[in-house]
Amino acid sequence: DAKTTQPTSMDCAEGRAANLPCNHSTISGNEYVYWYRQIHSQGPQYIIHGLKNNETNEMASLIITEDRKSSTLILPHATLRDTAVYYCIVRVARGHNQGGKLIFGQGTELSVKP
Amino acid sequence: GAVVSQHPSRVICKSGTSVKIECRSLDFQATTMFWYRQFPKQSLMLMATSNEGSKATYEQGVEKDKFLINHASLTLSTLTVTSAHPEDSSFYICSASTLTGANVLTFGAGSRLTVL
Repeated sequence: DAKTTQPTSMDCAEGRAANLPCNHSTISGNEYVYWYRQIHSQGPQYIIHGLKNNETNEMASLIITEDRKSSTLILPHATLRDTAVYYCIVRVARGHNQGGKLIFGQGTELSVKP
Repeated sequence: GAVVSQHPSRVICKSGTSVKIECRSLDFQATTMFWYRQFPKQSLMLMATSNEGSKATYEQGVEKDKFLINHASLTLSTLTVTSAHPEDSSFYICSASTLTGANVLTFGAGSRLTVL
């Protein structure tokens, strides 16, 4: 699975959009971009994933560049509860009985400040 | 949505004893579960892949005789830390893949093990 690079930490003002970048320049054509986050002392939580089109759900938006070498996770209106470590992971999507494992990098520690 | 439950959430044990951590998929069947370990200020490290009805697959450097994994049913996997030592103190997290959907992993809340 392709390697990802993320900034170590970022700050964001409460109520503003948080834009978290991720570089994955060696991504293959069949690899998806997944985003998870981990609030302190909890298990990771799935946020969103995509292949090449931009995606949006109730939690966030995922913008993937046309060459797929980088992506940005957008939290449109960050709250204090969004303070967490955000992980960008690239991997091939397995079949439903194959359950592909996730390898976590260091992630970005996002601090949302009042 | 899919829920993964871990028990216990916290456990303290004496050095040399064994500790069992349970991971259950509450509303779905999980043929595959994953066990991770996380030390303070570090990222999650994958320990092993637990496969229902067969032996677990361990990541390089993880001692299979130290960390026993059993996946006896489609909803339960257990991790037993045998002869625990203080350096085994860590946050252990399991996850499971739903059989349908987007191959998204659902994680448990984690189990914090402290070995005295």
